[in-house]
Amino acid sequence: DVVMTQSPLSLPVTLGQPASISCRSSQSLVSSDGNTYLNWFQQRPGQSPRRLIYKVSNRDSGVPDRFSGSGSGTDFTLKISRVEAEDVGVYYCMQGTHWPGTFGGGTKVEIK
Amino acid sequence: EVQLVESGGGLVQPGGSLSLSCAASGFTFSSYWMSWVRQAPGKGLEWVANINQDGSEKHYVDSVKGRFTVSRDNAKNSLYLQMNSLRAEDTAVYYCARGASVANWGQGTLAIVSS
Repeated sequence: DVVMTQSPLSLPVTLGQPASISCRSSQSLVSSDGNTYLNWFQQRPGQSPRRLIYKVSNRDSGVPDRFSGSGSGTDFTLKISRVEAEDVGVYYCMQGTHWPGTFGGGTKVEIK
Repeated sequence: EVQLVESGGGLVQPGGSLSLSCAASGFTFSSYWMSWVRQAPGKGLEWVANINQDGSEKHYVDSVKGRFTVSRDNAKNSLYLQMNSLRAEDTAVYYCARGASVANWGQGTLAIVSS
């Protein structure tokens, strides 16, 4: 199975400051159809996960534009340009290129 | 609005069975792959199974192969997960999700396997 490695494990951030989460896969996520199926999810405390980004850099409907995704091949990044209080939670990357889909271990974002 | 509502969780003894259901609304259910993803208490996410639009193609994570069966009824806009020979390590919140890319999630249903 493809191993997804996220860093850091925990990310204390000051309100209004940027945050960045890294995700690396154990093999390339470029699919035979040319797409890269790398998604990012947010899970707020006590809630179900919510998809933020799909295929590396596409924001889902209703996701604030302070969230952005980038990367290629095996290295990917989720950036929050200015952290707000509602961004507290755990963030997961997930690859859907190779079966079974696999998730990173999660990065906990908290306010300093 | 996409809605996914899971049900069927509960407490079961090791070796027992549970049948989970997911009622879908707000989208054309028969047009989408559907997935089950689980989360053990205090842990991360694990993809369990998915099924294609007409139910002819199914995939399972190795740890549940031969024990879990995913199915769907497009006439009822419903997704199912039959879980047999349950183990303690199957204890988790089970989420129903839309699509192979897991675009939308339900609220989850908790399955506890314990004696």
